[in-house]
Amino acid sequence: GAGVSQSPSNKVTEKGKDVELRCDPISGHTALYWYRQRLGQGLEFLIYFQGNSAPDKSGLPSDRFSAERTGESVSTLTIQRTQQEDSAVYLCASSLLRAEAFFGQGTRLTVV
Amino acid sequence: GQSLEQPSEVTAVEGAIVQINCTYQTSGFYGLSWYQQHDGGAPTFLSYNALDGLEETGRFSSFLSRSDSYGYLLLQELQMKDSASYFCAYDNYGQNFVFGPGTRLSVLP
Repeated sequence: GAGVSQSPSNKVTEKGKDVELRCDPISGHTALYWYRQRLGQGLEFLIYFQGNSAPDKSGLPSDRFSAERTGESVSTLTIQRTQQEDSAVYLCASSLLRAEAFFGQGTRLTVV
Repeated sequence: GQSLEQPSEVTAVEGAIVQINCTYQTSGFYGLSWYQQHDGGAPTFLSYNALDGLEETGRFSSFLSRSDSYGYLLLQELQMKDSASYFCAYDNYGQNFVFGPGTRLSVLP
């Protein structure tokens, strides 16, 4: 596609529910990244995929967080048993060259 | 450890020049990038320095000195639309991009 697409754009969920966030990277981009951004804060690294494998999962904040990527394309980030501290914007980015990452518009997650 | 530091806020007037500094601690990286993020928007790529020195892209320039663990973004002829947050980030040997905390730039008329 023309850019990185994320869905849903907004998600309100009840505490304790599971949520699934989707990212469609730019076609042909082998690297895919998930970041979390709390209001007024910087970008917190969650996980990185090269192809379908995730060599770096070090940023996942707890075992409630998981992610997968299939077909070297779509990625899903799953948060189980959501907590209020999970409320944030979840940003996905893809890249082909080391220099530049292309970001989606993000999913704004609100846990009530 | 790995970290980057940036000033939290910078204010300047339209038409002025502003420099946003970035210092970092890391054992090594491929290059230093700069991103712009408007409120409610996605970060967008501005500039990249793989080598020491100055890279110029229109009104924006970026500088890197690996020996000083330091870089900066220079914005010239400031416009109101430049009001945004600016992040430096380094490429952690192709593993991921590590971002600084961001600098909020306010451009005043």
